Amino acid sequence: AAGVIQSPRHLIKEKRETATLKCYPIPRHDTVYWYQQGPGQDPQFLISFYEKMQSDKGSIPDRFSAQQFSDYHSELNMSSLELGDSALYFCASSPGSTGELFFGEGSRLTVL
Amino acid sequence: TQLLEQSPQFLSIQEGENLTVYCNSSSVFSSLQWYRQEPGEGPVLLVTVVTGGEVKKLKRLTFQFGDARKDSSLHITAAQPGDTGLYLCAGLYNQGGKLIFGQGTELSVKP
Repeated sequence: AAGVIQSPRHLIKEKRETATLKCYPIPRHDTVYWYQQGPGQDPQFLISFYEKMQSDKGSIPDRFSAQQFSDYHSELNMSSLELGDSALYFCASSPGSTGELFFGEGSRLTVL
Repeated sequence: TQLLEQSPQFLSIQEGENLTVYCNSSSVFSSLQWYRQEPGEGPVLLVTVVTGGEVKKLKRLTFQFGDARKDSSLHITAAQPGDTGLYLCAGLYNQGGKLIFGQGTELSVKP
């Protein structure tokens, strides 16, 4: 069965650079979520989209933005990267009716 | 402030022992989910509980949702080394809303 696809799996950036993470949800899932997980921490909700519109917003910094495109894939754009942005970034999709989330394998961002 | 309190945060036991992980909140959830996460990978959904008092079993794992839908527990019987991992509870306030995670319980089962 198709799962959530995230790219890139690993990314190394310098401080103040920008980064873009991509997420391809499971087909026919109408909701996409982005989470950030620091070392030894639980996933922190950043933002979600339902049918290409932002549906909820969490602790996403102003330096970050995200969008969902017509083909339902989503991108998380991060600018002016800081050391503290180093984390695993997960995308999850949901069919909406159950609230159950299916996570991708994550993108590990390292800011040097 | 952690909306979902999970305990214990770390648990190291011997193979064959039983254990219980608790997930508590002062908030009422429309559903509560349990995930298991391996290092460097995304959380994998184990179960969703929706009805207050609901009990679900998944082989040696038993999940319970509190009557008031504010708390949940995960009980593992006869733990095996393959059960080692991070267990996360997550609460959903309403359908289509965001999922809030607990701090997680790092379980280590030694052979």
